[in-house]
Amino acid sequence: DAKTTQPNSMESNEEEPVHLPCNHSTISGTDYIHWYRQLPSQGPEYVIHGLTSNVNNRMASLAIAEDRKSSTLILHRATLRDAAVYYCIRSSNTGKLIFGQGTTLQVKP
Amino acid sequence: DAGVIQSPRHEVTEMGQEVTLRCKPISGHDYLFWYRQTMMRGLELLIYFNNNVPIDDSGMPEDRFSAKMPNASFSTLKIQPSEPRDSAVYFCASSFGGTVMNTEAFFGQGTRLTVV
Repeated sequence: DAKTTQPNSMESNEEEPVHLPCNHSTISGTDYIHWYRQLPSQGPEYVIHGLTSNVNNRMASLAIAEDRKSSTLILHRATLRDAAVYYCIRSSNTGKLIFGQGTTLQVKP
Repeated sequence: DAGVIQSPRHEVTEMGQEVTLRCKPISGHDYLFWYRQTMMRGLELLIYFNNNVPIDDSGMPEDRFSAKMPNASFSTLKIQPSEPRDSAVYFCASSFGGTVMNTEAFFGQGTRLTVV
């Protein structure tokens, strides 16, 4: 099914920007790229999604490569509350969201 | 809206017993998903419904698992008989739209199931 590749873990300092990469080299033209995050002991929560153009919302920005084979989730100023597992998901035309292992983000004060 | 509501939040049961997990999706949402999360396997999609109809149950591990959605505001995931390897956190999620590709899914807080 839909596959993405993310680093297992990343570290960031508080109040610094964080760039979380994701590779989706086999993405098709109609697949959206979704990002979710899961804080400890909570269910996943939506962060952002996009198709081709870069996207911004109050939580983050999503930069999508021109060939769409990779994308980067950007947290502009990391806080301790941003420590979570971040999932990059390539949605397919089946409508399913298939989660991979994600990137565990640690934010240091 | 109160979001996706799951009950119970915690369930401890003995091996062989029947377990029923419940989910109330967000009003107006037409997609409902059941996921299971373990340390070993991460988040796995078990089954999902569209307009109360099961669309894909290929993730259901075996016949001991069954899911129903009798109406737009309620779904159940049943395990009968339960086994220790079923211990996990079970999440329910819902979304709105003709396709989930361009929408966001909302997750409940999960049910932590422990089978002893």
